[in-house]
Amino acid sequence: EIVMTQSPATLSVSPGERATLSCRASQSVSSNLAWYQQKPGQAPRLLIYGTFTRATGIPASFSGSGSGTEFTLTISSLQSEDFAVYYCQQYNNWPLTFGGGTKVEIK
Amino acid sequence: EVQLLESGGGLVQPGGSLRLSCATSGFTFSSCAMNWVRQAPGKGLEWVSGISGSGGSTNYADSVKGRFVISRDNSKNTLFLQMNSLRAEDTAVYYCAKTPSSHYYFDYWGQGTLVTVSS
Repeated sequence: EIVMTQSPATLSVSPGERATLSCRASQSVSSNLAWYQQKPGQAPRLLIYGTFTRATGIPASFSGSGSGTEFTLTISSLQSEDFAVYYCQQYNNWPLTFGGGTKVEIK
Repeated sequence: EVQLLESGGGLVQPGGSLRLSCATSGFTFSSCAMNWVRQAPGKGLEWVSGISGSGGSTNYADSVKGRFVISRDNSKNTLFLQMNSLRAEDTAVYYCAKTPSSHYYFDYWGQGTLVTVSS
C-alpha cells in the first residue's frame, strides 16, 4: 500500500497570504495525484487532478505541482472560504489512498 | 446536474449487516466507475471500495475485504454497498463518489450517510 503523508498537519495563515501544502508518497505515483477540500459538515470537493489540472469551477488561486513522490498544493492568496481541511489522494496503485489531511486555519 | 444521494445508514450492532444505496442522476451512470469512501468521526478519508462501469471489476481496501461487497444496478442508476460482520471501527460517514474516467479520482461526492456500529 502506498502511504501518503501530508505536512504540516495544521497551517495557520492570515487572509491574503499564500499557503503551501505538501504531500509525499511512499513510492512513485507518477502524476496520478488529486487534491480535495473539505469544510466542516460537508463532503469533500475535488480541486486538482493529474497533479496540475484544476477541476471545473476551481479558481486559478489554487495550483498543484510535483511528480513522483513529492507534491504541493499552493493557494496564492487565501480567502475566507479557503479555510478548510485539504487532502491529497493517489490513484496510481490499488488500494487508493489518502493523506491524513492539512487543516488550514485563520492566523 | 450530477446528483448522488446515499441512504441506508443507521445504528447496527457489532456483527450485524447493513446495505447502503446511492441513487444517482445527471450523468451516464453505466459509463462511470463508482466508489465508496468513508470518514470516521473526526478522522480523515479512507477509500473503501470501487467498481467499474460495467460492474465486472471490483476492488476493496484490505480493512473490508471479505466483509463488504460493492455492486451496482445500471438499469436503476444505483450503487450499493453490502456490509457484513460489522465492527466498531466501521463506524463512519460513508460517501459514494463518482470517478470520471479510467483514472480513479473522485469528481462528485454524495452528502454521506452515517453508519454507527455499537451495542
